[in-house]
Amino acid sequence: GIQVEQSPPDLILQEGANSTLRCNFSDSVNNLQWFHQNPWGQLINLFYIPSGTKQNGRLSATTVATERYSLLYISSSQTTDSGVYFCAVREYSTLTFGKGTMLLVSP
Amino acid sequence: SQTIHQWPATLVQPVGSPLSLECTVEGTSNPNLYWYRQAAGRGLQLLFYSVGIGQISSEVPQNLSASRPQDRQFILSSKKLLLSDSGFYLCAWSPTAGEQYFGPGTRLTVT
Repeated sequence: GIQVEQSPPDLILQEGANSTLRCNFSDSVNNLQWFHQNPWGQLINLFYIPSGTKQNGRLSATTVATERYSLLYISSSQTTDSGVYFCAVREYSTLTFGKGTMLLVSP
Repeated sequence: SQTIHQWPATLVQPVGSPLSLECTVEGTSNPNLYWYRQAAGRGLQLLFYSVGIGQISSEVPQNLSASRPQDRQFILSSKKLLLSDSGFYLCAWSPTAGEQYFGPGTRLTVT
């Protein structure tokens, strides 16, 4: 099956800093999603982005499907951005998740 | 708008007891439905998915089973729980080909 790798596995930032999270995948995919898992476990949809670039406030994402990677940018980070960020790719009917990037933003 | 519900939110069960977790979706029809488990250590593992009533695909052979008795209801069951069944269980739905949305999850502890 398809392999999904995320980097870095852990990231510590000071509030106000910017960061880039990366997701590499091993094969062509039908779509790609980014999620944020908050401290209570809820998975929040950030982006549905099979290709191209999207922005939502301080967050933006770019997927280059031909080169099999996606990037999530977080600008001016806030403590509420802490949590785990997952990339997931879809083959046919199911999503395959990466292992996530755990982000801690300190005040 | 669509919403997805899971219950219970938390559950503590002894080894060998049965399990039933329920997931329901509102505001859509004929969704694809999914059960995932997240053990300590972050990764999400797909357990079952369903593209219609009575249609269940199992991704990982294990102590669990799933059923879809109604279009928007998905149930995860076990006849006898094992310690290794502890974890965070997430239900999700999607349109036939589209974005996947997750419920709030059930935290299961098997003692």
